[in-house]
Amino acid sequence: KAGVTQTPRYLIKTRGQQVTLSCSPISGHRSVSWYQQTPGQGLQFLFEYFSETQRNKGNFPGRFSGRQFSNSRSEMNVSTLELGDSALYLCASRSGAGEKNIQYFGAGTRLSVL
Amino acid sequence: GNSVTQMEGPVTLSEEAFLTINCTYTATGYPSLFWYVQYPGEGLQLLLKATKADDKGSNKGFEATYRKETTSFHLEKGSVQVSDSAVYFCALYDSGGGADGLTFGKGTHLIIQP
Repeated sequence: KAGVTQTPRYLIKTRGQQVTLSCSPISGHRSVSWYQQTPGQGLQFLFEYFSETQRNKGNFPGRFSGRQFSNSRSEMNVSTLELGDSALYLCASRSGAGEKNIQYFGAGTRLSVL
Repeated sequence: GNSVTQMEGPVTLSEEAFLTINCTYTATGYPSLFWYVQYPGEGLQLLLKATKADDKGSNKGFEATYRKETTSFHLEKGSVQVSDSAVYFCALYDSGGGADGLTFGKGTHLIIQP
């Protein structure tokens, strides 16, 4: 079974731009979560989508948004980029049933904001 | 709210040494506990898990026991190898606490010297 796939792996943007990151979950997984990883703040939960609905949201400004499609693929969008948005963005999927608490992570998208 | 505390390191050991990485947590409900490992340039890989008190998770020679009385989930390995060099994250998922995704510790950077 293929793992969680995130594209692109690397992105360079400038302040004020917007960016869209993509995540394809493990086949059959209906839940996708997004996390931000920075050296200062560590790993922080952004939001979770399940069956195209946002279930939970972390403590991030409204510039961070996401969506999930009917095939469970998810996108995360960050508008009006700031230097502090430079981070590794990780996507994780889980089945939503059985061992539902286990999240499987992708390799991440490293975003650099200049 | 929920939180996870772990030693940040770096922790430097010689090959074949005994490893302990301490992890303690606070949670609103009854969480599941996890150890994830991150190798350079990669995402997070699930190392082991435990879902209830006194459960022992184990994988690749690593072990951790869910201790509810001390709210701890310390990671141990009897004999480390150079290939174990990575960053290790303790995490919890508390479905009774609002299910705001996984809560992670800051990560422990482990360096194994030959």
